[in-house]
Amino acid sequence: DAKTTQPPSMDCAEGRAANLPCNHSTISGNEYVYWYRQIHSQGPQYIIHGLKNNETNEMASLIITEDRKSSTLILPHATLRDTAVYYCIVRSQGAQKLVFGQGTRLTINP
Amino acid sequence: ETGVTQTPRHLVMGMTNKKSLKCEQHLGHNAMYWYKQSAKKPLELMFVYNFKEQTENNSVPSRFSPECPNSSHLFLHLHTLQPEDSALYLCASSQVEGGSNEQFFGPGTRLTVL
Repeated sequence: DAKTTQPPSMDCAEGRAANLPCNHSTISGNEYVYWYRQIHSQGPQYIIHGLKNNETNEMASLIITEDRKSSTLILPHATLRDTAVYYCIVRSQGAQKLVFGQGTRLTINP
Repeated sequence: ETGVTQTPRHLVMGMTNKKSLKCEQHLGHNAMYWYKQSAKKPLELMFVYNFKEQTENNSVPSRFSPECPNSSHLFLHLHTLQPEDSALYLCASSQVEGGSNEQFFGPGTRLTVL
């Protein structure tokens, strides 16, 4: 599976949009981009995934660049409960292994 | 509440003890996983079970012994652990073959080995 690179930490003000970047320059054509988050001392939570089109669900939006070498997770109106470590993972569909990196520690400030 | 429960939530054990961690999923999934999360390290996959059969053992020491009696239950039997085995142990489940294969995680068991 391709490796990903994320900033170690980010801050965002409550109520603003949080934009979390991820680089995956070695992604191959059949690999999806998945995002999970882990709130302190809890299990990771699935957020969203996509292949090449932008995706949106009730939690977030995922923007993938045309060359698929990077993506951005957008939390449109961040709340204090969105403070967590966010993981960007690249994985082939059907592959079961999730390879977690260090992720981005997002802190939402009041 | 993700539909995956783990017990106990916290466990303290000595190096000579034998204990078991339990995971149960109420999602009708056919795959279950054990992950380990040590302090300041990324989550590491330990074992994968598909349709009750172990399909992956990620070079885990034999002092960790998984058991999957059916597709809803997963155990991790622990014996003669070391202090460096202290970690958060996470269980997950997913639906493979026809499902989206997103993994749903339980809350974890915080294990301390003295």
